[in-house]
Amino acid sequence: ETGVTQTPRHLVMGMTNKKSLKCEQHLGHNAMYWYKQSAKKPLELMFVYNFKEQTENNSVPSRFSPECPNSSHLFLHLHTLQPEDSALYLCASSQEVRGSGNTIYFGEGSWLTVV
Amino acid sequence: AQKITQTQPGMFVQEKEAVTLDCTYDTSDPSYGLFWYKQPSSGEMIFLIYQGSYDQQNATEGRYSLNFQKARKSANLVISASQLGDSAMYFCAMREVFGEAAGNKLTFGGGTRVLVKP
Repeated sequence: ETGVTQTPRHLVMGMTNKKSLKCEQHLGHNAMYWYKQSAKKPLELMFVYNFKEQTENNSVPSRFSPECPNSSHLFLHLHTLQPEDSALYLCASSQEVRGSGNTIYFGEGSWLTVV
Repeated sequence: AQKITQTQPGMFVQEKEAVTLDCTYDTSDPSYGLFWYKQPSSGEMIFLIYQGSYDQQNATEGRYSLNFQKARKSANLVISASQLGDSAMYFCAMREVFGEAAGNKLTFGGGTRVLVKP
């Protein structure tokens, strides 16, 4: 069982819909991340939260809106998405943000299809 | 410039044999960490092994070992006694402390798909 849980695992949404992805980590970590994995592209970092504060927004379009109510939970709110936003969205956590040996643990991912 | 390069897009390996997955990296930082992850078709990114730039010995975790050649900037993953469940995508990643990818940025390679044949 993974220490990082994502729901839903699969989501199909229309371009005018509003939906949210949820992530919960049970590892006692202080940093949480959203990554995007598109077909045939390397993983892309989207957002970073450290102790509930956003420390990184990697030039992500505003149609993606993250929320981190506490160190254990992370949401990604989705609205007016485009078909090219279809991808695997991976949530991750780590003990802290800094340090080269700080391992990042990932969840199972949420497969998003925008129609 | 590519930070992490995995030159093998895909490879077959016979069950019970060993396989080596190549990874080269580019950094000018003295302190960095190298990671390998496994991603089955289900999507989850599973952490396998870590090597620090100052570690004197190659990292090992069960059937996984990392062949770290610092001067050549390579960090190849060796999987011994391959099993059918090892079929997956494998990603090499680097985390720098002082450089562009410092702190929270883990830079990934393009991945290598491994298919284990019975």
